Amino acid sequence: DVQLVESGGGLVQPGGSLRLSCAASGFTFSTYWMTWVRQAPGKGLEWVATIKDGGSDKYYVDSVRGRFTISRDNAKNSLYLQMNSLTAEDTAVYYCATDRGGYYYFDNWGQGTLVTVSS
Amino acid sequence: QSVLTQPPSVSGAPGQRVTISCTGSSSNIGAYYSVHWYQQLPGTAPKLLIYTNTNRPSGVPDRFSGSKSGSSASLAITGLQAEDEAYYYCQSYDSSLSGSRVFGGGTKLTVL
Repeated sequence: DVQLVESGGGLVQPGGSLRLSCAASGFTFSTYWMTWVRQAPGKGLEWVATIKDGGSDKYYVDSVRGRFTISRDNAKNSLYLQMNSLTAEDTAVYYCATDRGGYYYFDNWGQGTLVTVSS
Repeated sequence: QSVLTQPPSVSGAPGQRVTISCTGSSSNIGAYYSVHWYQQLPGTAPKLLIYTNTNRPSGVPDRFSGSKSGSSASLAITGLQAEDEAYYYCQSYDSSLSGSRVFGGGTKLTVL
């Protein structure tokens, strides 16, 4: 079975940094595009970033471009999201998901990790 | 303001049929990009419900169906059950920005 387990969330001060991880198992990680999606408290889903299977190409929503970096380690079956210059608007549950590349949908999701940006 | 527009809420009695609309534009649904639907039960992660407009992943009941026409799409749920009460999100791709996957704002389905 596909399993995605996020970690690294927590409380961080405005302007701070945090690195999220997503451990993948049950599928050939290196052949899948991967995506981060977030959900602010009481709000809807927002796509954050996507990385191609080989890691060469990365895409970001405008609101995080230049502050967040998506990366992956295919040898460790792991996905990462480095988040810098955090603001209160980044407070959300962050989900990692498998991304069906050219079809642009997310077929497996992790349980999410909560990031709270507050002083 | 979401790129894709959904009604905030819909409701129906057990056994009834409800539909949830998702309206886009010429840079996403109208540009022939597929529409996908997710179900989010209270306190849980989203789950893929319909992909590429009309397809159901294994395990999703055939009470759920999707359709697409022009710049809009719809999710239909027949034979409503209490456990269908959840948020439903449509999602597509928008060509106006590289790599942009986009979501609708979500629709809360209440089973009366």
